Amino acid sequence: EAGVAQSPRYKIIEKRQSVAFWCNPISGHATLYWYQQILGQGPKLLIQFQNNGVVDDSQLPKDRFSAERLKGVDSTLKIQPAKLEDSAVYLCASSPRTPQGEQFFGPGTRLTVL
Amino acid sequence: AQSVAQPEDQVNVAEGNPLTVKCTYSVSGNPYLFWYVQYPNRGLQFLLKYITGDNLVKGSYGFEAEFNKSQTSFHLKKPSALVSDSALYFCAVSLPFSGGYNKLIFGAGTRLAVHP
Repeated sequence: EAGVAQSPRYKIIEKRQSVAFWCNPISGHATLYWYQQILGQGPKLLIQFQNNGVVDDSQLPKDRFSAERLKGVDSTLKIQPAKLEDSAVYLCASSPRTPQGEQFFGPGTRLTVL
Repeated sequence: AQSVAQPEDQVNVAEGNPLTVKCTYSVSGNPYLFWYVQYPNRGLQFLLKYITGDNLVKGSYGFEAEFNKSQTSFHLKKPSALVSDSALYFCAVSLPFSGGYNKLIFGAGTRLAVHP
């Protein structure tokens, strides 16, 4: 079974530039998550999709971050404009829709904002 | 506020010795509890979970965890550590919220270093 795929793996940009990350979840997983992991901290949920609908985006900085999951499969997360404090690893995860189900994580995208 | 605490930034243990990585939580209700491991340049991997039932949960790679409701703890354990166990370990709590969905709250992580 293929895992969660993410690209790019690394990205370096200047502040105020824009950037986009892509995620392809495990086939058949209805729920998709984007997390931000700042160095030295645990992952923090940014947004959660159920199929192509948003179920939780309470911690997404909506003035600069956006995410979509067209057709309920792939997802993209965008930052525009980026700030220095956005430097982090962005993790995508997916899970079947069960409350007890574990989440399966991709390798992440390491973003450095200069 | 609902939270997960991992009181140790790093745990050092000699290969072959038992290891414990501590986790306590502060949430209302009966949460689901998880442990994940993160190796360098890789995503988080699921180790084990507690949903209900037996307080001792067995997981991948010989790890186990003990749920203690009175102490609100979920410590990760392994009887005999391997050098290859060296990694970053995260405790997480799954909280139910509106709409029938759950969200994970992670601790800050504990780095485990196993020395030969």
